[in-house]
Amino acid sequence: ETGVTQSPTHLIKTRGQQVTLRCSSQSGHNTVSWYQQALGQGPQFIFQYYREEENGRGNFPPRFSGLQFPNYSSELNVNALELDDSALYLCASSSWTGDSGNTIYFGEGSWLTVV
Amino acid sequence: SQQGEEDPQALSIQEGENATMNCSYKTSINNLQWYRQNSGRGLVHLILIRSNEREKHSGRLRVTLDTSKKSSSLLITASRAADTASYFCATDRMGGFKTIFGAGTRLFVKA
Repeated sequence: ETGVTQSPTHLIKTRGQQVTLRCSSQSGHNTVSWYQQALGQGPQFIFQYYREEENGRGNFPPRFSGLQFPNYSSELNVNALELDDSALYLCASSSWTGDSGNTIYFGEGSWLTVV
Repeated sequence: SQQGEEDPQALSIQEGENATMNCSYKTSINNLQWYRQNSGRGLVHLILIRSNEREKHSGRLRVTLDTSKKSSSLLITASRAADTASYFCATDRMGGFKTIFGAGTRLFVKA
């Protein structure tokens, strides 16, 4: 039990639609990261938020966007869904100290299927 | 491209045997971590080793880090069927802000 919760656990969307995935961080954590994991692959970094500001982004197009709220919960929004967006989306929270040793704690993920 | 690459991609062993997985990475790092993932679920943090450490133990897990070769290994001793999962190495680069994952090693432990 990591204390990181994600919703929904599974959802099916149609190509072209928009989706919002939600994450509740572990208490006391000020940093949240989102990852996309396709079947059989490792998690790919989408972006990271620290104290409500995006402070890093991976190689994902602008239709992937996010928010972090004052209570450090977070959303991932994906517009204009494509079939290749079908994946497990993982939220991870951590307490950024600027020091090495930044262990991150994952939620169980949201399975998105785009048809 | 992924910072970390695990080897082998898949490993099948008998219960009671040891399992060794390797990870190579490309740039200088602050630390390296190993995670476990059961099928279709979230990742669970196993162990973190800092760049100035060479070996670390946690229960049946032993991790080594060779920064000169930019490689790490994860040893699981006396494996159990419940160890069946995917194992990922992940690195925090120096001056970076994100944790980068490799493609993983799929471990199958047969009872």
